Amino acid sequence: GESVGLHLPTLSVQEGDNSIINCAYSNSASDYFIWYKQESGKGPQFIIDIRSNMDKRQGQRVTVLLNKTVKHLSLQIAATQPGDSAVYFCAESLNEKLTFGTGTRLTIIP
Amino acid sequence: DGGITQSPKYLFRKEGQNVTLSCEQNLNHDAMYWYRQDPGQGLRLIYYSQIVNDFQKGDIAEGYSVSREKKESFPLTVTSAQKNPTAFYLCASSIAWDLGNQPQHFGDGTRLSIL
Repeated sequence: GESVGLHLPTLSVQEGDNSIINCAYSNSASDYFIWYKQESGKGPQFIIDIRSNMDKRQGQRVTVLLNKTVKHLSLQIAATQPGDSAVYFCAESLNEKLTFGTGTRLTIIP
Repeated sequence: DGGITQSPKYLFRKEGQNVTLSCEQNLNHDAMYWYRQDPGQGLRLIYYSQIVNDFQKGDIAEGYSVSREKKESFPLTVTSAQKNPTAFYLCASSIAWDLGNQPQHFGDGTRLSIL
């Protein structure tokens, strides 16, 4: 497949360990946030979202944490698996328009 | 299965040529979007449509055009005026513009290159 980001921050994690991917967002007025996963040559896949009136939300094997004080978002993936290898990026929403981050490449070490 | 279908997967454009990228969704979503993805950059919004027969320019609309004649279809034309069209183009949809924040769901993209 083809790379969607040639100079992305990279996170390498041992299979079975937990992964934490971070995102700094830009606008303190943003009221909705989404994490996407993008595999090589494919479109972004929705993982989890969170609204600004929450600071934590859990899904299946994933947790999103929102810290509005420092405009920081994180995605935690529990028990990382080989299929989790991808580029992960966050998006922030203001007035129903999304602004996307550049992403982090997650690599799983067997 | 419900989803968003983009075609073709790969497209080549000659100098001075217009090309059209197809996007079809069967999710019954009102809102549709076109983004451009370049290496090392976040997705950038080209055009969006809140409802049939309506569309708005995004952040980088110059050199592109769209139409929204049917709810399920939102084709993007890359015109010869777009001087740097080589990129990965992504189409997305969401339930409705006026329902408050909803996630956008994406197709698998079209990679456009210049011959």
